[in-house]
Formats: sequence, structure tokens, C-alpha cells
Amino acid sequence: NAGVTQTPKFQVLKTGQSMTLQCAQDMNHEYMSWYRQDPGMGLRLIHYSVGAGITDQGEVPNGYNVSRSTTEDFPLRLLSAAPSQTSVYFCASSPDRTGGAQYFGPGTRLTVL
Amino acid sequence: EDQVTQSPEALRLQEGESSSLNCSYTVSGLRGLFWYRQDPGKGPEFLFTLYSAGEEKEKERLKATLTKKESFLHITAPKPEDSATYLCAVQANSGGYQKVTFGIGTKLQVIP
Repeated sequence: NAGVTQTPKFQVLKTGQSMTLQCAQDMNHEYMSWYRQDPGMGLRLIHYSVGAGITDQGEVPNGYNVSRSTTEDFPLRLLSAAPSQTSVYFCASSPDRTGGAQYFGPGTRLTVL
Repeated sequence: EDQVTQSPEALRLQEGESSSLNCSYTVSGLRGLFWYRQDPGKGPEFLFTLYSAGEEKEKERLKATLTKKESFLHITAPKPEDSATYLCAVQANSGGYQKVTFGIGTKLQVIP
């Protein structure tokens, strides 16, 4: 099992550019989520999904879109990047459909200039 | 509002020097409390889930305990490879989804 994989590992964007962060898991988990981690703050939930075709907003959803067409994949789209979106992004999945104990990917470090 | 406070922010131990990390929480109806380990430049790694006061879980040199207001992660005779940031998170039985709130973490350094 590869677990949760994320690409790219690093990305630099200019303000206003758009991009998609990729996330995949091979554990057949229904629950998947996206978090951002900023210095001095705990992990904050952006969006989550409880199964293919079902997504919902978390704590900090503005500026981000998600879709879930398969159980395995859960991409995160930045619509128009802003410097405030500079962060480390983690994708996670959970065998618990409510998203209890989660298994995290290695992260994507994003810088927006 | 759900809150998680971890202390200390940083802890430096000599190899073999046992200690405890604290996680205080405020939540309206606890569904679960989770401990994670995070190494620099990596994603959090799940360690334990605790569900009710009095519960304990162990893994190698780590032991997690839970009361109604806080959780402790006890580290017995730590080794340098235990150096990492340890995150605590709580899941509440409230809101439109079962929100998980993370603490900022305790950065542990174990000196040989």
C-alpha cells in the first residue's frame, strides 16, 4: 500500500494563477480531507468528502474547490492564488466515515508570490 | 467553540529522561481524542485514539491517557528517534459534521 500520496511536493505560484493539488489513496477509505498547516496554528480543515460525489466545506473553504469523482482521488483546486494561501497542504483519509483517526499524505508546500 | 491547548510548546529531554506532554481540551461532547507524531517536512502520523475518561493506550515508549478535561502523552526512557512534534486533536459530536480540532503541538527534542 502506498497510503496517501500527494503531488507536487513543492509549488511556487504568482498571484492570480490557478492550480490543482493532487491527492490519491489506495486504502479504499470513504472519508478524505484537505488541511492547511500554518506556523503557530493547528491544522485547519479546508474541505472534506464522505464518498464519491459528496463533498462539503470545512473551516477555511474560501478560495478552494474540490470534487470527488472516484473513491481514490480528491483533488484540491486553487481558483486564483493569493499570498494568504501560502501554506503547507495535507491530504488525509480515514476508515471512519466521520473522519476520526486520519492518515495523512506527505504534504505540498505552496508559495504564492 | 472547541479548543485544544498543548503544553509545553517545546521540550528538551536527555535520552532516558521520562516526561509527559499535556493536551487540554474544551469540546461540547467528545467523540474522540487523537494523538499524532509529525516529523519535519512530513505529514502527521496517527498514534492513538482515546474515547472516554480513564482510557489508556500504549505503543512502545509512548502511553496516552485521558481525563474529562485533558490527555497526557507519557514518554518513558525516550530515545533520540522520538524527537518530533506531537499533535493532539479532538473530535466533537456537534455541528453539521464531526469537526476535528487540532492543537499547535509540542516539539520534543531528545538529546543523546
